[in-house]
Amino acid sequence: GENVGLHLPTLSVQEGDNSIINCAYSNSASDYFIWYKQESGKGPQFIIDIRSNMDKRQGQRVTVLLNKTVKHLSLQIAATQPGDSAVYFCAETAGAGKSTFGDGTTLTVKP
Amino acid sequence: NAGVTQTPKFQVLKTGQSMTLQCAQDMNHNSMYWYRQDPGMGLRLIYYSASEGTTDKGEVPNGYNVSRLNKREFSLRLESAAPSQTSVYFCASSEQFLGPQHFGDGTRLSIL
Repeated sequence: GENVGLHLPTLSVQEGDNSIINCAYSNSASDYFIWYKQESGKGPQFIIDIRSNMDKRQGQRVTVLLNKTVKHLSLQIAATQPGDSAVYFCAETAGAGKSTFGDGTTLTVKP
Repeated sequence: NAGVTQTPKFQVLKTGQSMTLQCAQDMNHNSMYWYRQDPGMGLRLIYYSASEGTTDKGEVPNGYNVSRLNKREFSLRLESAAPSQTSVYFCASSEQFLGPQHFGDGTRLSIL
């Protein structure tokens, strides 16, 4: 399953499928990006980060891809599980400036 | 591991009342932050403290003040609460400024 930009803030996938969550960031000077996961009633939790000198970084079951040309960031979750259901936020930071969070994408995993 | 602890978890205020939200972290982090999150939206930065002894305004500082009491504690004060300040408030900390942040579970604040 995949969403396209912030115009589709929800994504529903079947358990076991791969998920792709997209984020279109705004500042071409942004050089550091973080993905957070927020479960209902809890604070955001760090998932993975990437700096602008990289275009891909992998973690456990997650991969972040960065395309600076089109200012696009994606989070791929392999073999999505019910525990992955949450809201996912991307955050961008430019140099010594402050981080800016996107509005988030709600991921729902159907058993 | 406690991480980032926020108190209280819930609070209801009347318009014009004052309130201090407390935040403490036990990870020896240098930087701390206060955010608000409105329904269906992302986080907006209210104030931050890049290091002990410094505080700076974020995106939405009006109506709030902060105090970095020591390295562990960073409080947020509403001097005269307004209904527009009804929100969920999150405190976060990071080892270095703008690094990955660790969040508390939030304070749900309603202002009538």
